[in-house]
Amino acid sequence: TQLLEQSPQFLSIQEGENLTVYCNSSSVFSSLQWYRQEPGEGPVLLVTVVTGGEVKKLKRLTFQFGDARKDSSLHITAAQPGDTGLYLCAGEDSGNQFYFGTGTSLTVIP
Amino acid sequence: ETGVTQTPRHLVMGMTNKKSLKCEQHLGHNAMYWYKQSAKKPLELMFVYSLEERVENNSVPSRFSPECPNSSHLFLHLHTLQPEDSALYLCASSQGYYSGNEQFFGPGTRLTVL
Repeated sequence: TQLLEQSPQFLSIQEGENLTVYCNSSSVFSSLQWYRQEPGEGPVLLVTVVTGGEVKKLKRLTFQFGDARKDSSLHITAAQPGDTGLYLCAGEDSGNQFYFGTGTSLTVIP
Repeated sequence: ETGVTQTPRHLVMGMTNKKSLKCEQHLGHNAMYWYKQSAKKPLELMFVYSLEERVENNSVPSRFSPECPNSSHLFLHLHTLQPEDSALYLCASSQGYYSGNEQFFGPGTRLTVL
């Protein structure tokens, strides 16, 4: 079993603030995905990173894959209430199986 | 709207009941998945079907029985469940069961076992 730890578990911030959430593991992954899950819905894929050190930007969201492909971070600039949700990371092992983290629940207060 | 629908959205059942969860995907995908999402636990992969054949079964109790009659439909048959089986059950599909695939999730069925 591949363990993916996400931190913080809960985060509540004011609109306009910046934040970073983390996804850490002792295992190496061939790729890593970030999802956002809104209440009452299933997770929706935000990004896939595959190369160590890779940085991808999606509007105000910046995703980074660690050099050793064991960890990842998600940085949100100027958070908005629409960013509220559960952020999940999922690492893919060499056998094409994905392992999900426990998630970071983000609340952005207007 | 992700192209994956699940019914029912909410289900309450007793431990002696038999019920089924349904998932349908309208994306032309070849792989379908069942996940269990419990509070404070990682999403747990339960079953994977690729081209209507089961390719993964991650030590799931036999009280959960999947069925994939065709590439667009996936069922999860439930019988004699336990209260700890209460969770959100998510269905997902992907183009194929191989590296780097994007999985599209349905909204889930919130199951409560009394």
